[in-house]
Amino acid sequence: EVQLVESGGGLVQPGGSLRLSCAASGFTFSSYSMNWVRQAPGKGLEWVSYISSSSSTIYYADSVKGRFTISRDNAKNSLYLQMNSLRAEDTAVYYCAREALFHWGQGTLVTVSS
Amino acid sequence: QAVLTQPASLSASPGASASLTCTLRSGINVGTYRIYWYQQKPGSPPQYLLRYKSDSDKQQGSGVPSRFSGSKDASANAGILLISGLQSEDEADYYCMIWHSSAYVFGGGTKLTVL
Repeated sequence: EVQLVESGGGLVQPGGSLRLSCAASGFTFSSYSMNWVRQAPGKGLEWVSYISSSSSTIYYADSVKGRFTISRDNAKNSLYLQMNSLRAEDTAVYYCAREALFHWGQGTLVTVSS
Repeated sequence: QAVLTQPASLSASPGASASLTCTLRSGINVGTYRIYWYQQKPGSPPQYLLRYKSDSDKQQGSGVPSRFSGSKDASANAGILLISGLQSEDEADYYCMIWHSSAYVFGGGTKLTVL
């Protein structure tokens, strides 16, 4: 069974940093592209970033480009999202999702507030 | 203008059918895209339902009932999620998505009420 478990969320001040992790199990992690998707409270879904299976291809949404960095460690079956220069509008539940968003984790809440 | 536009809400009766539309912005041809559909219930992550490009290029999500199906309306430049035999458990938010210009793009979502 595919399992994706996010962690690392919490309360951070504007301008601060946070690193999210996603632990994957139940499939060959190194064979699949991965994504981060977020959802602000009461709002719709917003794709954040994509990373290919070998990390050779990476894409970002314009809203986070230059501030967020996606990475993965295939030996640890883990996906990461380094978030810098955080803003209030980055407040959201962050989900990791496999491939074309076929499987999702439960999400981790990031709150940016002073 | 948003890339994908969905009606904010839709109501339908139990046992009836509901047609949820996802209209692509002018200049983006629905015929060239796989359209993905997701269901999200309160407090839960989205769940993949299906993807549809054509009758020969479509995929049903694992465990997703066949009463959920996809299609397109080329004249309206729209993707369609059809839910037949509506049940109370189908009440949820539904999102469409495409891969466009090196990004996944979501529609704003449709809140389906079954009453």
